[in-house]
Amino acid sequence: DAGVTQSPTHLIKTRGQQVTLRCSPKSGHDTVSWYQQALGQGPQFIFQYYEEEERQRGNFPDRFSGHQFPNYSSELNVNALLLGDSALYLCASSLVGDRTYEQYFGPGTRLTVT
Amino acid sequence: AQSVTQPDIHITVSEGASLELRCNYSYGATPYLFWYVQSPGQGLQLLLKYFSGDTLVQGIKGFEAEFKRSQSSFNLRKPSVHWSDAAEYFCAVVRYGGSQGNLIFGKGTKLSVKP
Repeated sequence: DAGVTQSPTHLIKTRGQQVTLRCSPKSGHDTVSWYQQALGQGPQFIFQYYEEEERQRGNFPDRFSGHQFPNYSSELNVNALLLGDSALYLCASSLVGDRTYEQYFGPGTRLTVT
Repeated sequence: AQSVTQPDIHITVSEGASLELRCNYSYGATPYLFWYVQSPGQGLQLLLKYFSGDTLVQGIKGFEAEFKRSQSSFNLRKPSVHWSDAAEYFCAVVRYGGSQGNLIFGKGTKLSVKP
């Protein structure tokens, strides 16, 4: 079991550009959540996808959007990048209805906006 | 608003010494609480969690945590620290009205271990 995987590992973008990050959940999981972790901060919840729909959303602007595919993998898209979007983006997967509330996190994608 | 506070930004302990990392939360009902560890360049690994029942919970790697409702605290402890425990530790709570994947994290405590 490969666990949660994310790609790419690192990327550098310029202000105003758009970026797509990818996440494959742990085998057997159907729910994907995305978090942004700025330097020196704890992760902040962006949104969650289940059954190919956004189910919950944190306090992030519409520039942040996502998608979930039938195989449960997910993408995070960020448009019109700002310097403040530089962060580690973490993906976490879980199984809906799992009463243990366990989530498994991927290693993250480090985004640098210049 | 719900929040999680980790008062200590950075803690240094000697190898073999005991450890306690503090966590306070703001929430009226019984919270679902977690401790995660993050090593450099790594994602988050769950150490332990508390939902209900026994207020002292055991986790992986020899860690334990105690839930104290009267103090709104969920402090993480380890009796004897190993050099490999050097990492950043995050306390988290499930957001009220949120799902299992919707967590509020503290800002973290970085643990350094002296030989």
